[in-house]
Amino acid sequence: NAGVTQTPKFRILKIGQSMTLQCTQDMNHNYMYWYRQDPGMGLKLIYYSVGAGITDKGEVPNGYNVSRSTTEDFPLRLELAAPSQTSVYFCASSFETGSYEQYFGPGTRLTVT
Amino acid sequence: GQNIDQPTEMTATEGAIVQINCTYQTSGFNGLFWYQQHAGEAPTFLSYNVLDGLEEKGRFSSFLSRSKGYSYLLLKELQMKDSASYLCAVRDSNYQLIWGAGTKLIIKP
Repeated sequence: NAGVTQTPKFRILKIGQSMTLQCTQDMNHNYMYWYRQDPGMGLKLIYYSVGAGITDKGEVPNGYNVSRSTTEDFPLRLELAAPSQTSVYFCASSFETGSYEQYFGPGTRLTVT
Repeated sequence: GQNIDQPTEMTATEGAIVQINCTYQTSGFNGLFWYQQHAGEAPTFLSYNVLDGLEEKGRFSSFLSRSKGYSYLLLKELQMKDSASYLCAVRDSNYQLIWGAGTKLIIKP
């Protein structure tokens, strides 16, 4: 089991460019999440999905989009990158909510200049 | 608003015991998680509490008091590899996880 994988590990974007962060899990988890982590701040939920074809906004969705066409994949799209989107992005998955722990991918470190 | 408070940084000595506190104010409560995050890595699950009391798991224990909005993580027999950030997260009434900023634990020999 690879768990949760993310690509790329690092990326530098120019202001106004777009990109997609890839996330795949092989644990057959229903729930998937995208977080961003800024220095000295807690993880902030961007978007989440409770199953294929179903997505919903989290706390900080502006400037991002997601899709969930399969159980395994949950890509995050950044449109018109801004310096405020410089952050570390983590994808996570869990079997269900409640007491089920979230498993995190290794993260993508994104810099927008 | 929703708020999770943890100390920013703590220092402890190898072999000692340390307690990391977490206080929370959230819209509803459906469980509290502790995660460990080494520098440059992803968070990994440590413990889950939903009822009051102490949950013990090897060298790590986690305590919850729902009436006080308070939890702590107790680490015993500290090892150098325990140097990491410890994140407290509360599941609110919408079943979303609200995360604290984390406590950076520095272990000295």
